[in-house]
Amino acid sequence: AQKVTQAQTEISVVEKEDVTLDCVYETRDTTYYLFWYKQPPSGELVFLIRRNSFDEQNEISGRYSWNFQKSTSSFNFTITASQVVDSAVYFCALSEGTSGTYKYIFGTGTRLKVLA
Amino acid sequence: DSGVTQTPKHLITATGQRVTLRCSPRSGDLSVYWYQQSLDQGLQFLIQYYNGEERAKGNILERFSAQQFPDLHSELNLSSLELGDSALYFCASSPSQGAVTEAFFGQGTRLTVV
Repeated sequence: AQKVTQAQTEISVVEKEDVTLDCVYETRDTTYYLFWYKQPPSGELVFLIRRNSFDEQNEISGRYSWNFQKSTSSFNFTITASQVVDSAVYFCALSEGTSGTYKYIFGTGTRLKVLA
Repeated sequence: DSGVTQTPKHLITATGQRVTLRCSPRSGDLSVYWYQQSLDQGLQFLIQYYNGEERAKGNILERFSAQQFPDLHSELNLSSLELGDSALYFCASSPSQGAVTEAFFGQGTRLTVV
């Protein structure tokens, strides 16, 4: 069955530290999609990145970078030089079609606290 | 702003009552997803509609129902409410039939059942 594991429930770092949020997924499908979302204290879910299973290139967007490794079924997210505004809950999600239809399956989230 | 509008933002109601949550998707998006976020369950998929038709069903209780109207807005109806139904309910929209592109989420409706 498809599953997403975010083993880190909560992480605290001091501003300007780098931090990596782990995401491990399970799927038997060869075609799947991975996502990261941010949920700041205000509550809305903000889309950060989408990756398909055929594209293992790592991606960098400003202070954010993502490391996709099919060999370890991981899609980790690194924030470089963290800032207080990065404090939020971050969700990793998987979409694949073995259940007959694609739908988003979310991990339980990692709460990141960046201290000034 | 994601472009997805949910109303109301907050709702307080008593056990046994019925409520309707409304969602307007982003312009052009045909898929609407409903999710429930509670403290102990995380983000749980409830149901998806695509262009007016039910497309996928998750862990949606029989007391809950949804529909998508011709103008593509969607409503989630929750009836015979229980204390455990208190949660944040999210609507998300995407242009695709399946979850192969990113979905954009509304700000959620916080339901409190007392």
